[in-house]
Amino acid sequence: QKEVEQNSGPLSVPEGAIASLNCTYSDRVSQSFFWYRQYSGKSPELIMSIYSNGDKEDGRFTAQLNKASQYVSLLIRDSQPSDSATYLCAVKDGGATNKLIFGTGTLLAVQP
Amino acid sequence: IAGITQAPTSQILAAGRRMTLRCTQDMRHNAMYWYRQDLGLGLRLIHYSNTAGTTGKGEVPDGYSVSRANTDDFPLTLASAVPSQTSVYFCASSEGETTFYNEQFFGPGTRLTVL
Repeated sequence: QKEVEQNSGPLSVPEGAIASLNCTYSDRVSQSFFWYRQYSGKSPELIMSIYSNGDKEDGRFTAQLNKASQYVSLLIRDSQPSDSATYLCAVKDGGATNKLIFGTGTLLAVQP
Repeated sequence: IAGITQAPTSQILAAGRRMTLRCTQDMRHNAMYWYRQDLGLGLRLIHYSNTAGTTGKGEVPDGYSVSRANTDDFPLTLASAVPSQTSVYFCASSEGETTFYNEQFFGPGTRLTVL
């Protein structure tokens, strides 16, 4: 059973701080990794994709991937109350399919 | 505006009734997916289609069926609804058949309650 693990939270950070969200996965051959943001009552929204070891930056968001440790993280710099949401980590099935395996998400609360 | 639409937005359904959830995308994506999302269980794949004319079973396919007659539409049918199918249903799509990237984009969801 391929798994994606996230701490459910809530992760509470003050406005302006760095929020660090973590995810581990079990499928060693996975090559594609995604972070989705989901506001309460809304659908998941893709915010970051990462495919190579190291860091990928997009505005205030940085995704970090370490395939050897089977670990992917999302850093949100200068956190804003509008960043308060559930963040879902997703890993593409390492087999020849299009399937994504989702974690159950981490609830982030940014305190003003 | 390009994207995915789902209908209905929400529905209350009596147990035993048949229900079809609709999903349409205008991004010309080859692959489409149906997920259900339940508290504490996350997103679980019900059925998927890599390309028009083909479908496959996901993690929780029992009680659901799909068809993919064309690229744009991917309806999900509950033949005889049961209360355990109460959930939020999301349709998603992605570009390729088996692409390396497979970024999936989600529709707005359908909230279904089966009584």
